[in-house]
Amino acid sequence: AQSVSQHNHHVILSEAASLELGCNYSYGGTVNLFWYVQYPGQHLQLLLKYFSGDPLVKGIKGFEAEFIKSKFSFNLRKPSVQWSDTAEYFCAVKRYGGSQGNLIFGKGTKLSVKP
Amino acid sequence: EAQVTQNPRYLITVTGKKLTVTCSQNMNHEYMSWYRQDPGLGLRQIYYSMNVEVTDKGDVPEGYKVSRKEKRNFPLILESPSPNQTSLYFCASSSAPSGANVLTFGAGSRLTVL
Repeated sequence: AQSVSQHNHHVILSEAASLELGCNYSYGGTVNLFWYVQYPGQHLQLLLKYFSGDPLVKGIKGFEAEFIKSKFSFNLRKPSVQWSDTAEYFCAVKRYGGSQGNLIFGKGTKLSVKP
Repeated sequence: EAQVTQNPRYLITVTGKKLTVTCSQNMNHEYMSWYRQDPGLGLRQIYYSMNVEVTDKGDVPEGYKVSRKEKRNFPLILESPSPNQTSLYFCASSSAPSGANVLTFGAGSRLTVL
């Protein structure tokens, strides 16, 4: 069955540390890829997305992600995290051309940034 | 302001007492969906709708019903709630059912079933 794996359940970093959150998916066809962020007590918001073209995509707040097709991965990165980045991050994968019924979320990675 | 509105935001109820969580969007989106969020399990899709009168099951539909009589509304109905339906529920919408469209989420409804 199609699945999305996020490798880390909880990541704790100090401010200014670099961040990389892993995301792997199991579907072999063409996919659209998303990272959503959920700040404490809030709803999910789009961080960035990949549809096609340059596999390195830039999102809001200095986040970026790289799509590596051969590794079925879409890892999220940020060179220097801030306390305000404390949130839960969800990777999501959608089969190209399918309905949004096929959008599958990972279980999420909670990021805690120490000031 | 473009948004997805859910009500109630918080609800405590008892086993077996029917309840409805409403969801409304003002963006003329065709696609709407319900998710539940549980610790360690991420978001799991309950039901989705690709247009008026078109609904389909997601990954965890048991114990839930939905309807889509109007484009803007997509209520989630729990006919006989049970404690395992205690969760945080999110409604989301998107502009079209096909293609790579971004979801707009509501603020969430925290439901506790005693």
